[in-house]
Amino acid sequence: GESVGLHLPTLSVQEGDNSIINCAYSNSASDYFIWYKQESGKGPQFIIDIRSNMDKRQGQRVTVLLNKTVKHLSLQIAATQPGDSAVYFCAENMATGRRALTFGSGTRLQVQP
Amino acid sequence: DAGVIQSPRHEVTEMGQEVTLRCKPISGHNSLFWYRQTMMRGLELLIYFNNNVPIDDSGMPEDRFSAKMPNASFSTLKIQPSEPRDSAVYFCASSLRDTRGGGNTIYFGEGSWLTVV
Repeated sequence: GESVGLHLPTLSVQEGDNSIINCAYSNSASDYFIWYKQESGKGPQFIIDIRSNMDKRQGQRVTVLLNKTVKHLSLQIAATQPGDSAVYFCAENMATGRRALTFGSGTRLQVQP
Repeated sequence: DAGVIQSPRHEVTEMGQEVTLRCKPISGHNSLFWYRQTMMRGLELLIYFNNNVPIDDSGMPEDRFSAKMPNASFSTLKIQPSEPRDSAVYFCASSLRDTRGGGNTIYFGEGSWLTVV
């Protein structure tokens, strides 16, 4: 069959609204999680991280929530701005061990002015 | 502070030619990663080094790809011979892995955009 490229899920929000981007992970042993933002033509940029001993962590306009029971991670962006338009990736690994970060496929956030 | 520095930023080369991508990690970081990003497969880890030693190269596609890290401030990713399917953005990243093995934030360079025609 014909191969197709990754179809990134897209979240479209109005400027000023709050955004919630979700991520599911599969490795129950993972205990360190990061959200990255990638703007067009640039490398992924660190936004916020969280360890498994926490279920919530807040930064500037961003909050990460971790639900280890269902292996789910979310990124909340308050008062979304046009500059927030980008692809957002979650990444995970284990605090111990040799495995490098594993990235999800990403979500495209489009902010409508 | 300087971030991860990659060169070249853009390269167009003919099939069969050798390609060498270069990376300077953030000073003081002891882990270095090479990732490849394509529309088909997203962001994939190719290889990573810790203290200049390759730890996991299971993501390296085939023998045409090789990576070296001769010292703590320099790494290369070489493709020889290059093929059109190697066209992608190649990212270098670095982190500071502490001795307790804590989870580590990886900082990315701006990428090397490779087109093989």
